[in-house]
Amino acid sequence: GDSVTQMEGPVTLSEEAFLTINCTYTATGYPSLFWYVQYPGEGLQLLLKATKADDKGSNKGFEATYRKETTSFHLEKGSVQVSDSAVYFCALRLVAMNRDDKIIFGKGTRLHILP
Amino acid sequence: DAGVTQSPTHLIKTRGQQVTLRCSPISGHKSVSWYQQVLGQGPQFIFQYYEKEERGRGNFPDRFSARQFPNYSSELNVNALLLGDSALYLCASSLTRLAGYETQYFGPGTRLLVL
Repeated sequence: GDSVTQMEGPVTLSEEAFLTINCTYTATGYPSLFWYVQYPGEGLQLLLKATKADDKGSNKGFEATYRKETTSFHLEKGSVQVSDSAVYFCALRLVAMNRDDKIIFGKGTRLHILP
Repeated sequence: DAGVTQSPTHLIKTRGQQVTLRCSPISGHKSVSWYQQVLGQGPQFIFQYYEKEERGRGNFPDRFSARQFPNYSSELNVNALLLGDSALYLCASSLTRLAGYETQYFGPGTRLLVL
């Protein structure tokens, strides 16, 4: 079945460090890929997305590239800040009109940034 | 414009009781989806409603039901509550049902505790 696997956390980094959170997926069809972020006590916010192979999504210094050959969508940021501390979810959404319009999420990766 | 709103924000129930959660989508959005997020896990798809009809259902028992009203707001009902129903219930809205091409916007969620 369709699924998303992301690296387990928590991930603890110092401020200004380089961040990578790995995400791989399994899907029948042509998914769109997303990273969502959940700050403490809040709902989910879309961080970035990519809708086809080789697309790069970017927002707030975060980037992720849709790699069809490796079925991956790793999240990266060159210099993290304390305010980036949150839980990050990788997700996929399948592009087909005759399927449930649902997002399949990974289990989430908790990120702690130390000042 | 207001984002997706959900009520109540927190709820405590006892086993066997019934609960109704409410969601108002972003103005103009016709699609509403419900997700369950158990502590430490990613959200799991429960239902999607579009134009007042159920268009998708996740792997949840019949104790879970939902409906969408003419103004596109939605209610999620859960009967015969179990301890395992304790979770954050998220509502998401999107303009239409074009899977993959649109962003789903999430509300802050309703946190349900079953004792």
